[in-house]
Amino acid sequence: DTAVSQTPKYLVTQMGNDKSIKCEQNLGHDTMYWYKQDSKKFLKIMFSYNNKELIINETVPNRFSPKSPDKAHLNLHINSLELGDSAVYFCASSQDRLGEQYFGPGTRLTVT
Amino acid sequence: AQTVTQSQPEMSVQEAETVTLSCTYDTSENNYYLFWYKQPPSRQMILVIRQEAYKQQNATENRFSVNFQKAAKSFSLKISDSQLGDTAMYFCAFMTYTGGFKTIFGAGTRLFVKA
Repeated sequence: DTAVSQTPKYLVTQMGNDKSIKCEQNLGHDTMYWYKQDSKKFLKIMFSYNNKELIINETVPNRFSPKSPDKAHLNLHINSLELGDSAVYFCASSQDRLGEQYFGPGTRLTVT
Repeated sequence: AQTVTQSQPEMSVQEAETVTLSCTYDTSENNYYLFWYKQPPSRQMILVIRQEAYKQQNATENRFSVNFQKAAKSFSLKISDSQLGDTAMYFCAFMTYTGGFKTIFGAGTRLFVKA
């Protein structure tokens, strides 16, 4: 069984559209994260939730809105997509805020 | 500001040989965690090894070991008996208790293992 899953794995869309990426973990972890990996492979934290509470909110445009309906899910909604949003987005989870992170397979978002 | 620097964008090693990937970090904190993550071509990020800063003993995990030099703020990864499956991007990462337990990643080192 996949520990951290993301859907979709690939997403191609046009500028101005709104899209969502879903993430689910079946590890019983308390903390979940969203990262963005750009074309140069640089990985940067966007958001982190602990027990459904937002604890990290990096300098990310407010077009990006995370939603955590429960501990096992952390979805990422993006409004008014721009070309610069093209990247691979990784979801991750950890037992707690100090734990090692388990990553999902990533979602490659391409904005045309 | 806390930063993680990986000065080697690319490295290559012959199969069965040993390679060391370097990582330095900058922080004023005394307690923190350090990690090495591996990202193979499949894109999946996988934890390789973890080190707590309060532990003097270097962490080891099978063929992977670290050389943790706290005073020098250095955290290098040694891969022994390199295998073709070790070909991947390797990211050094750093996390402190402050700043919301945010994990900061280095820019990565691309390692090629040659047959």
